[in-house]
Amino acid sequence: EVQLVESGGGLVQPGGSLRLSCVGSGFTSSSYWMSWVRQAPGKGLEWVANIKQDGSEEYYVDSVRGRFTISRDNAKNSLYLQMNSLRAEDTAVYYCAREDPMYGYVFDYWGQGTPVTVSS
Amino acid sequence: DIQMTQSPSSLSASVGDRVTITCRASQSIRSYLNWYQQKPGKAPKLLIYATSTLQSGVPSRFSGSGSGTDFTLIISSLQPEDFATYFCQQSYTSPFGFGPGTKVNIK
Repeated sequence: EVQLVESGGGLVQPGGSLRLSCVGSGFTSSSYWMSWVRQAPGKGLEWVANIKQDGSEEYYVDSVRGRFTISRDNAKNSLYLQMNSLRAEDTAVYYCAREDPMYGYVFDYWGQGTPVTVSS
Repeated sequence: DIQMTQSPSSLSASVGDRVTITCRASQSIRSYLNWYQQKPGKAPKLLIYATSTLQSGVPSRFSGSGSGTDFTLIISSLQPEDFATYFCQQSYTSPFGFGPGTKVNIK
């Protein structure tokens, strides 16, 4: 059974940093692109970033480019999101998601999410 | 950026009803349209990808159609477990945006 489990969320002050982690099981993570998707309270979904199987390519939504860094450790079946210079508008539940191997940017499995609150 | 819209934003329906949700893209996304279901406090679940392909394990009462800019999700006979919020998402070009969602409520 495919499972994704996020951790690392919490309360952080504006301008602060946080590192999210996601551990996968039940599949070979090195075979898949992986993404982070977020959902602000009571709002819709927003794709944040993704990373190629071997970590050689990364893509970001404009609003986080230069502040967030996605990375992975395939030996640990883990995905990370380093978030710096956090803003109030980054407050959201952050989900890691696996991308379908044939159809890019189709998210076939999701974690349960980890909440991030940016507030003073 | 491609903007995704959905209508209606919410609807009320009864068990057994046929439900139709529409999604529109601000420009052509060919058939790169996906549908997700989300229940309160839970992660989204992929229902349909590439406009009309049912994800493994998804009941056949769900179907999708469309192309270009206009797409439809149909639930042929609404079941109690289908009360949820439904999001469309384009996977044609970055940023790979989602629609604002359609909440299906119990009538």
